[in-house]
Amino acid sequence: GNSVTQMEGPVTLSEEAFLTINCTYTATGYPSLFWYVQYPGEGLQLLLKATKADDKGSNKGFEATYRKETTSFHLEKGSVQVSDSAVYFCALRAGYSSASKIIFGSGTRLSIRP
Amino acid sequence: EAGVTQFPSHSVIEKGQTVTLRCDPISGHDNLYWYRRVMGKEIKFLLHFVKESKQDESGMPNNRFLAERTGGTYSTLKVQPAELEDSGVYFCASSRLAGERSYEQYFGPGTRLTVT
Repeated sequence: GNSVTQMEGPVTLSEEAFLTINCTYTATGYPSLFWYVQYPGEGLQLLLKATKADDKGSNKGFEATYRKETTSFHLEKGSVQVSDSAVYFCALRAGYSSASKIIFGSGTRLSIRP
Repeated sequence: EAGVTQFPSHSVIEKGQTVTLRCDPISGHDNLYWYRRVMGKEIKFLLHFVKESKQDESGMPNNRFLAERTGGTYSTLKVQPAELEDSGVYFCASSRLAGERSYEQYFGPGTRLTVT
């Protein structure tokens, strides 16, 4: 079946450090891939997405590249800020319909210290 | 435009009691989804409405859970009777129907359910 496996947390980094959160997936066909973020006290927000192989999604300094050969979608940021502290979820949508359900990973809690 | 809203934000109930969660989707969004995150694990799909019809309820854990969307607007998710393992955060999401420009699912802030 379809699934997402992401790096377990929590991850604690100093401000301006480089961030990588690993994510791999299992899916039939050509899924769309997503990173969602949940800031403290808020709902889930779409951070970035990629819909086909070799696409790079980017937003707020975060990037992730859809790698079909390694079935991965790792999240990276060159210089993290305290405001990036949140829980990050890797996810995929596998159905042909854009209304298909989303399958999430278990989430990675990121804490950035000043 | 207003986002997806959920009520209550937090509910604490005793095992065996009944709880009803409500979700108001973004106006005009015909797709409505329920998800939940239990015990800090992955967020899991529960079900999907298209307007008032259940399109996919494959994620509903058992018959203690009842979801409705009368009139195709807001939705309720009732848990009766609640068990300890039902504790978690219940998220609602909505999106426009396929065929329109944006297919993104917009999520609400979630309802944290604690069963004691």
